[in-house]
Amino acid sequence: GIQVEQSPPDLILQEGANSTLRCNFSDSVNNLQWFHQNPWGQLINLFYIPSGTKQNGRLSATTVATERYSLLYISSSQTTDSGVYFCAVKTSYDKVIFGPGTSLSVIP
Amino acid sequence: DVKVTQSSRYLVKRTGEKVFLECVQDMDHENMFWYRQDPGLGLRLIYFSYDVKMKEKGDIPEGYSVSREKKERFSLILESASTNQTSMYLCASSSPLVAEEFFGPGTRLTVL
Repeated sequence: GIQVEQSPPDLILQEGANSTLRCNFSDSVNNLQWFHQNPWGQLINLFYIPSGTKQNGRLSATTVATERYSLLYISSSQTTDSGVYFCAVKTSYDKVIFGPGTSLSVIP
Repeated sequence: DVKVTQSSRYLVKRTGEKVFLECVQDMDHENMFWYRQDPGLGLRLIYFSYDVKMKEKGDIPEGYSVSREKKERFSLILESASTNQTSMYLCASSSPLVAEEFFGPGTRLTVL
């Protein structure tokens, strides 16, 4: 089956710093989502981005489907950005495959 | 906004009890999913449903069953709870047209 990898696994940032999270997938996908899991466990939708680039405030994402990767950019990080970021892809069978996540800690 | 709700945020049950986890979505989505999340194992799909009264096994269905009597409600049932079912349970829904998946807040289940 399709494999989803994320890097880095862990990241510690000073407040105000920028970062790039990467998601690689091993096969063609129908869509791709980025989620943020907050400390209470809720998965928050960040982007639905099967291809192209989207921006939402300090966050933006780019997916290059032909090269099988997606990037999530966080600019001017804040402590509330802490948590785990998941990339999830969906194949033609409607099953979502999650990556292992990147654990982000933003320190004041 | 899409809203997915789950019946409990925290639940403590005893071994052997029958446990019901309820999930309700308000966006008329056809697809609904149950996952469990465990440290080091990530999110794993238990069951999913594409329509009322339809269900499909996910990657780890053993020890679980589901019920979907109404389009907006998808229930996960632990017939006889065991300690290895202690986990975070997450429900999600999506439309086949848009395919973006939305999650509920999760239920942290502890089986003693």
